[in-house]
Amino acid sequence: SQQGEEDPQALSIQEGENATMNCSYKTSINNLQWYRQNSGRGLVHLILIRSNEREKHSGRLRVTLDTSKKSSSLLITASRAADTASYFCATLSSNTGKLIFGQGTTLQVKP
Amino acid sequence: DAGITQSPRYKITETGRQVTLMCHQTWSHSYMFWYRQDLGHGLRLIYYSAAADITDKGEVPDGYVVSRSKTENFPLTLESATRSQTSVYFCASRVLANDPAQYFGPGTRLTVL
Repeated sequence: SQQGEEDPQALSIQEGENATMNCSYKTSINNLQWYRQNSGRGLVHLILIRSNEREKHSGRLRVTLDTSKKSSSLLITASRAADTASYFCATLSSNTGKLIFGQGTTLQVKP
Repeated sequence: DAGITQSPRYKITETGRQVTLMCHQTWSHSYMFWYRQDLGHGLRLIYYSAAADITDKGEVPDGYVVSRSKTENFPLTLESATRSQTSVYFCASRVLANDPAQYFGPGTRLTVL
């Protein structure tokens, strides 16, 4: 079964708007990571947040983590058409060491 | 610096045939992984390897075989391909168990007729 579940499954916004994606997971984790996948390509690592962190920033990306609710969110500010892609959360299990992915959110940014 | 490569990029085969997908990384990463990606299922872990000669099952290992005789190579074999194994397969690697980033290959699109 999937460790991470993402919401929404699809998101369409205008360029310049902010995009927020949410991820929920089931078991204890060491860290949670976000990846991006452009159409027809492999996944690219964006940002990692550790289980003892609550918020992390990287450029236009902001990630939050709430371990009590087993949830995370990814905020992309001032979106660009080039941000159009699928975004996946992934959790590193503290028990198995395996990285398990959610089903992803497909983001479309309209110019 | 080639990074992580997969071959072939596209493959069409028939039900019952054996198929091997290749994965090669140039970083000497300890961990390597095979995922399949299907609509509605996201990425699912098939097998992973912590080091040469050490492999373990993931979420969906049935019908697949892996080996890791050398650190840099991690081939995935479908012993007798089925239509349900039509998918996009991604290989990935990372340095240590808790390394921040996992690096992905470009994927192999496999169609089983």
